[in-house]
Amino acid sequence: AQSVTQLGSHVSVSEGALVLLRCNYSSSVPPYLFWYVQYPNQGLQLLLKYTTGATLVKGINGFEAEFKKSETSFHLTKPSAHMSDAAEYFCAVVKIIFGKGTRLHILP
Amino acid sequence: ETGVTQSPTHLIKTRGQQVTLRCSSQSGHNTVSWYQQALGQGPQFIFQYYREEENGRGNFPPRFSGLQFPNYSSELNVNALELDDSALYLCASSLGAGDSYNEQFFGPGTRLTVL
Repeated sequence: AQSVTQLGSHVSVSEGALVLLRCNYSSSVPPYLFWYVQYPNQGLQLLLKYTTGATLVKGINGFEAEFKKSETSFHLTKPSAHMSDAAEYFCAVVKIIFGKGTRLHILP
Repeated sequence: ETGVTQSPTHLIKTRGQQVTLRCSSQSGHNTVSWYQQALGQGPQFIFQYYREEENGRGNFPPRFSGLQFPNYSSELNVNALELDDSALYLCASSLGAGDSYNEQFFGPGTRLTVL
């Protein structure tokens, strides 16, 4: 069975600081992995996805994630946080099983 | 190209009633998936429709049912509403089905409140 675990339901970082949101998965087959972002009162928007090939995936808004099979992880990073990054972030594995989400707070 | 739209945006029902939520898929997409997102939780997969046929179902009781039309729009029906059905219901459309890794495009959701 496939599952996704996001460590930390809330993460706070200062504006300009590194953003790191953690995601670990379990899958009996090579996974397809996704990160979605959800702004208040909106649907989900795809940030990036890993299917095959290069393990470092670049997405929109300066985010990237690295697939590490040995660690069963797919952590999301951004070098410098911006106030507009404050939102809920979901890691997901196909057949689109979502983690519980991590709310990112940006401190001025 | 229009995105995924859902109606209504908000809905209030009482326990025991029935509700129908609607979703129009993005142009060119033949697959619609429905999710329930309870407050503070990630979306939970309800079911998926591919070319008018149900193509996978999550752990939801039979009182959750759906339909996909020839134009690939879709409905989610919930009978005998319970208080725990209060949630944001998200619809997502994509091209391809099942284990496809094609991107799913999400609508803004319908906020259902059951009193």
